[in-house]
Amino acid sequence: GAVVSQHPSWVICKSGTSVKIECRSLDFQATTMFWYRQFPKQSLMLMATSNEGSKATYEQGVEKDKFLINHASLTLSTLTVTSAHPEDSSFYICSASGTSRFTGELFFGEGSRLTVL
Amino acid sequence: DAKTTQPNSMESNEEEPVHLPCNHSTISGTDYIHWYRQLPSQGPEYVIHGLTSNVNNRMASLAIAEDRKSSTLILHRATLRDAAVYYCILRDPNNAGGTSYGKLTFGQGTILTVHP
Repeated sequence: GAVVSQHPSWVICKSGTSVKIECRSLDFQATTMFWYRQFPKQSLMLMATSNEGSKATYEQGVEKDKFLINHASLTLSTLTVTSAHPEDSSFYICSASGTSRFTGELFFGEGSRLTVL
Repeated sequence: DAKTTQPNSMESNEEEPVHLPCNHSTISGTDYIHWYRQLPSQGPEYVIHGLTSNVNNRMASLAIAEDRKSSTLILHRATLRDAAVYYCILRDPNNAGGTSYGKLTFGQGTILTVHP
C-alpha cells in the first residue's frame, strides 16, 4: 500500500522557537494532504487542507500565521509551528489521498510528537 | 459535515468475531463510509470503505444498511493486534467552494479491547 512518512517522529523545543514537520508521500503523488492535531486521549482534529501549488485551507479556529503550511511539490508538505508555546505540544499527523483523490482511502503518516518546554 | 455515532467502547475475546456499529443517519447520497483504526502513538490506519454495497478486504468486512443510515465493521477473528480505536467517518467528495477535497472529520471512535 501507499506510504506516507513524517519527520521528525518527535521533537522537543524551547518556547518561542519554530519547528518544521515534513510529510512525504513515498510512492505516489499527493495533490492534496491533510494536517491533523491530536491531544492526549482525544480524537484527531483537522487543522488544514494542503494543496500542491496553492495556499492551504485552514479549519475554523486554526491560526494560519502560527501554523504555516507549504506544499511545494506533489510529494512533500511541511507544517511549521511558529513561535511555539507549551500549549502547542501535541501529536501532529498528516495524511494524503491515493489514486481516488476525493473518495478513496487516506494514508496517514506515523505522526510527529511535539513537546514545547 | 455529516456526523457519525459510535459506542465509546467494546470488548471482545481473541479469535471471536467483532461487530463494530456506526450510525450515520444524516448521510448524504455522495458520502463514502470510511473506517480507520489507530493504535497508541501511531497515525491512523485505513481499514475499509464503501458507498452502498457491502465490501470485503483482507482486514475486515463492511456491512452497509440498505438505507445507508448505519453500517457495521466486521472483524471476523479478533486478534490482540486488533485492539485499537476504530473510527467510522463519512468522506464527502463534493468540492465545496474548492476547499473540501474530501476531507475526513474524525469523531471519538470506539475503543476496542481484545481479551486473550
